[in-house]
Amino acid sequence: GNSVTQMEGPVTLSEEAFLTINCTYTATGYPSLFWYVQYPGEGLQLLLKATKADDKGSNKGFEATYRKETTSFHLEKGSVQVSDSAVYFCALSEKDGSEKLVFGKGTKLTVNP
Amino acid sequence: NAGVTQTPKFRVLKTGQSMTLLCAQDMNHEYMYWYRQDPGMGLRLIHYSVGEGTTAKGEVPDGYNVSRLKKQNFLLGLESAAPSQTSVYFCASSYSGLAQQLETQYFGPGTRLLVL
Repeated sequence: GNSVTQMEGPVTLSEEAFLTINCTYTATGYPSLFWYVQYPGEGLQLLLKATKADDKGSNKGFEATYRKETTSFHLEKGSVQVSDSAVYFCALSEKDGSEKLVFGKGTKLTVNP
Repeated sequence: NAGVTQTPKFRVLKTGQSMTLLCAQDMNHEYMYWYRQDPGMGLRLIHYSVGEGTTAKGEVPDGYNVSRLKKQNFLLGLESAAPSQTSVYFCASSYSGLAQQLETQYFGPGTRLLVL
């Protein structure tokens, strides 16, 4: 079945550091790919998405590029802030009419001032 | 526009008790989902619905039942709670019929359930 593997955390960075969170996937066909973010005590919210190969999703300074050849969707940000501290989930959408999401296990990011 | 709301926010149950979690959305979404979130496991899909009156099993459906009698509501039931069902439960919805919103799921704030 389809699956998502993302970098184990936790990740601790200083403010203004560069962030990369790795995500790879296994899927039949060509799924859409997502990054969701969960701030402490809240539900998940969509951070960015890409629906086809070579698409780049971007939002709030975060970027991720859909790489079909390496089946990857790594999340990057050039300069993190304390307010970026959260848990980040990579996910894919199964193309079976249900639009179900398959999630990675999440990566906790802590940014220190 | 409240988005996705969940009731209750927190509940403590004893083993064997039953309860129903309510999810409501005001975005006219067709699809609704129930997930559970456990430490180190990410989110796992319990049940989902692709429209009013329909339900389907997800990855971890055992011990749960669902109903979608109205388009805006999706209920998750635990008939006989077990300690293994201690978790945080999230409801989500998607697809208002607009192509650009297809696939994006909108999540509720979660229900924390403790089964003793």
